[in-house]
Amino acid sequence: SQTIHQWPATLVQPVGSPLSLECTVEGTSNPNLYWYRQAAGRGLQLLFYSVGIGQISSEVPQNLSASRPQDRQFILSSKKLLLSDSGFYLCAWSVRLAGGEQFFGPGTRLTVL
Amino acid sequence: KQEVTQIPAALSVPEGENLVLNCSFTDSAIYNLQWFRQDPGKGLTSLLLIQSSQREQTSGRLNASLDKSSGRSTLYIAASQPGDSATYLCAVRGIQGAQKLVFGQGTRLTINP
Repeated sequence: SQTIHQWPATLVQPVGSPLSLECTVEGTSNPNLYWYRQAAGRGLQLLFYSVGIGQISSEVPQNLSASRPQDRQFILSSKKLLLSDSGFYLCAWSVRLAGGEQFFGPGTRLTVL
Repeated sequence: KQEVTQIPAALSVPEGENLVLNCSFTDSAIYNLQWFRQDPGKGLTSLLLIQSSQREQTSGRLNASLDKSSGRSTLYIAASQPGDSATYLCAVRGIQGAQKLVFGQGTRLTINP
């Protein structure tokens, strides 16, 4: 069966510090990978998605970036965090076909102070 | 631009009742619609996926319907239990930008013992 991992589970960072969140998927190959953010009082917003190694599409311009160094690894980064980057970050995967069901990881709670 | 609305925002019912959660979307050109459950501080758990060609899907006490032409979906929960308490989210995947799920704000459900 497929499993999706995210770490860390929680993170408290000062404004201006760098960020690296990691997501890995087990039990599948060539998945589509996604990063979402859920901010307090707001719905889930798609940040990035990837259909293959090194292929990243950005949905929302911001100071975040994403990378996919391996088939089942997806990384969300920032060089300098802003207060507005606080939120709950969720990684998801789906099979590589249009309209595939998406499955979510446990999330990372990021607080920027 | 696809917009997804869920009504009500919160619902509290006694244990044992059957209940219906509503989801509406503005653009009927969709691949599918997915219902999720989210417990506080946790990731999303996929409950049901309805493809655009389907009218309904069932899993245990859950039944989801889709009326694509009217832009509506309902999630029916039979014989509700306290363990059903959670936030329920619906999300649609449009034919345009097919990698992207557009989420509603969710319905926070409380089942009272």
